Amino acid sequence: EVQLVESGGGLVQPGRSMKLSCAASGFTFNNYDMAWVCQAPKKGLEWVATISYDGSSTYYRDSVKGRFTISRDNAKSTLYLQMDSLRSEDTATYYCARHYYDGTYYYWYFDFWGPGTMVTVSS
Amino acid sequence: DIQMTQSPASLSASLGETVTIECLASEDIYDILAWYQQKPGKSPQLLIYDASSLHTGVPSRFSGSGSGTQYSLKINSLQPEDFASYYCQNGLSAPRTFGAGTKLELK
Repeated sequence: EVQLVESGGGLVQPGRSMKLSCAASGFTFNNYDMAWVCQAPKKGLEWVATISYDGSSTYYRDSVKGRFTISRDNAKSTLYLQMDSLRSEDTATYYCARHYYDGTYYYWYFDFWGPGTMVTVSS
Repeated sequence: DIQMTQSPASLSASLGETVTIECLASEDIYDILAWYQQKPGKSPQLLIYDASSLHTGVPSRFSGSGSGTQYSLKINSLQPEDFASYYCQNGLSAPRTFGAGTKLELK
């Protein structure tokens, strides 16, 4: 059974840093591109960042470029999101999500999601 | 950025009814579109990808259609577990935007 479990969220002051982790199990982690998607309270979904299966390529939405860093440790089947210079508008639930892969092509859809971890940026 | 406009924002329906949710892209996304279902307090689940392909395990009462800039999600014979929020997503180009969502409520 595919499982993704996020951790590391909580309350943080504006301008400070926080690192999220996502432990993956039930599938061959190093075969899949992975992503972080966030959802502000009572709001819609926003893609944040994606990393390729081997970590060689990363992609970010404009609002987090230069502040957030996505990374992975395939030996530990773990995905990370380092968030620096946090702002109040970064307050959201952050989901770890697996990119859909049909064995040939990688798609920009997300076929499994973790339960999410809440990040609150406030003084 | 490609904008995704969903309608309606909310919808009330009865058990057994058929409903349709629309998603309009600001430019042609060549059927590279997904639909997700999200229940309160839960993470989203993929329903449909490539505009009309049913994801594994999704009941056949869900269907997707459309092309170009206009897409729709149809749910036949509504079941109690279908009352949730639904989101479309552009899978074509960065930043892979989602629609604002449609909340489907029991009438």
